[in-house]
Amino acid sequence: DGGITQSPKYLFRKEGQNVTLSCEQNLNHDAMYWYRQDPGQGLRLIYYSQIVNDFQKGDIAEGYSVSREKKESFPLTVTSAQKNPTAFYLCASSMGITNTGELFFGEGSRLTVL
Amino acid sequence: AQSVTQLGSHVSVSEGALVLLRCNYSSSVPPYLFWYVQYPNQGLQLLLKYTSAATLVKGINGFEAEFKKSETSFHLTKPSAHMSDAAEYFCAVSDRQGAQKLVFGQGTRLTINP
Repeated sequence: DGGITQSPKYLFRKEGQNVTLSCEQNLNHDAMYWYRQDPGQGLRLIYYSQIVNDFQKGDIAEGYSVSREKKESFPLTVTSAQKNPTAFYLCASSMGITNTGELFFGEGSRLTVL
Repeated sequence: AQSVTQLGSHVSVSEGALVLLRCNYSSSVPPYLFWYVQYPNQGLQLLLKYTSAATLVKGINGFEAEFKKSETSFHLTKPSAHMSDAAEYFCAVSDRQGAQKLVFGQGTRLTINP
């Protein structure tokens, strides 16, 4: 079955440590996205990538980094510079930049910084 | 720039009652509009979308929404609530420039009372 796989589902880290969240898709989608979800704030875009080896900052990119070396993969690193990293992180993909805006989501990764 | 306002962060209805979740949008261009559903600790799933065809849009699980340009609204309804409808619902608007420009509302948590 095609879909998006995020791992790990739950992650605990100490303050000051970098963590990397994995996102893999087998939908053959060109575009991939990372969102952060906090209670009562909806979804906010962190980074997105329209093609391999290219990515752009979203609305809240500070303290995060990404790479897009393969079409299927778009890992997100939460760095120690992120002031409040505890959140639910969602990866998504879409067919391309000119699509209607329909996104396909993974099941999310919940990061808790102790 | 477009924006979305969901009226009511929490809505509670009895099983079998009408579900009405409100969404108002702001957009300088004809929008694409979406409703997504999120079950606990999962990603988002598309319920339905409006992309300038019929103004009454039918989605999955018996939900539908009506695009009303004069009211800048896209409210989500279901005639008879089921316990399995308990989830968080997000309205989103796109300016047709691609999914990276998708703007989400704050979400409405729907509770179904037996």
